This record gives sequence, C-alpha cells and structure tokens, in this order.
Amino acid sequence: QKEVEQNSGPLSVPEGAIASLNCTYSDRVSQSFFWYRQYSGKSPELIMSIYSNGDKEDGRFTAQLNKASQYVSLLIRDSQPSDSATYLCAVMIGGGGADGLTFGKGTHLIIQP
Amino acid sequence: KAGVTQTPRYLIKTRGQQVTLSCSPISGHRSVSWYQQTPGQGLQFLFEYFSETQRNKGNFPGRFSGRQFSNSRSEMNVSTLELGDSALYLCASSTSGRTYEQYFGPGTRLTVT
Repeated sequence: QKEVEQNSGPLSVPEGAIASLNCTYSDRVSQSFFWYRQYSGKSPELIMSIYSNGDKEDGRFTAQLNKASQYVSLLIRDSQPSDSATYLCAVMIGGGGADGLTFGKGTHLIIQP
Repeated sequence: KAGVTQTPRYLIKTRGQQVTLSCSPISGHRSVSWYQQTPGQGLQFLFEYFSETQRNKGNFPGRFSGRQFSNSRSEMNVSTLELGDSALYLCASSTSGRTYEQYFGPGTRLTVT
C-alpha cells in the first residue's frame, strides 16, 4: 500500500518567517515528488517538483528530498499571508504516470500578519 | 497557453442517475488523469489515459469509467450514483515525458442527493 503522510496542521507561521512543511512516503521505489498548493475552493496548483536527492530552489520555495529517509520537505522563505493554503505532497512511483500520483492529505498553513 | 478546462463546473444529480464529466487538457499534453477529492479521503487517483488507452486504474468500483478521444480530450462517467460519490472531480494533464508534472483543471463539483 502506497502511503504519503503529512501533518494536517494547522501550521501557524508569522509573516516573514520560514514555513517548513514535511512529508514522508512509504514506497522506496518512488521516483518523482511534487508539492501542490490548494486554496480553499480551488484546485491544486503545482509549485515544485523534485526528482533527485538534495535541494531544489525556485524563488521563495525550496524542496528537499532524502530518498534514504523517504522524506521530502518544502521550505517557504519570507512567508506572506497569500501563502496561507493547504499544501499537498504527492509521490509518483516509476515514470510515465501510469500509476497516478499518491497524495498526502495536506498540511493547512496559516501565515499570521 | 490555455490551461486544463473541465465542464460542467457544478452538477447536482440524484441517486441512481449517471453523470458524464468532460476534460480538455493543455494543448500538446497527451496524458489525462482523473482524481476524486473528498474531505475525508483527500485526493484519490481514479484512472489515467494516454493515447486513448487506459494505462491504470485506481481502487474504485466499476461504476467509474472513462475514455479518451484522439484529440486527447477525456470524459469520465459515473453510473448508478451514490450519495458517497459527492466530491470534487479533478482532471490533470501532463506531457508523456519522464518528469510527468501534472496540471489540474478547476474541477467539477458533483453533489448527489
């Protein structure tokens, strides 16, 4: 059974601080990892993808992957109130997408002004 | 480039009826995946189509089916609707490459009464 675990939160972070979101997955053969942001009443929006161990930075976002520990995280620097949303971690086994994405249930992030 | 579109956006049906939802992927994307999102279960993979062929199916009953047309547009059908089928149905499109980043449409909110 493929599982992706996230702390549901809410995670409250003051504006301007670093928000750290964590995700663990159960299947060791997972190859592709994604972070989606979902605002209330909206569909998920892809914000980061990562495929290799280490860090990947894109603007204020940094994704970190540790396959040995089966752990992926998302850091949001200089958090803004507009970052308040649910963040979904998604994992794909193999390539080509035939197995679909397995999602965690998301972490609700609140950025306090 | 236009995003993923889904129609209709909202739908109300009664138990026992059937429903067809439509999805048009991003131009050039040949893979279309369908997901069901509920508050209790989160986002769950339904099935994925690539070049008019279903490549895999999630753990849903046979009442859930789909197809893909030669222009990559996809439809999903749910027959004999049950109250538990009330959910947000999301379509995601992707290229067929290894990175397999999926982009979601706005979703169809289905309410079964």
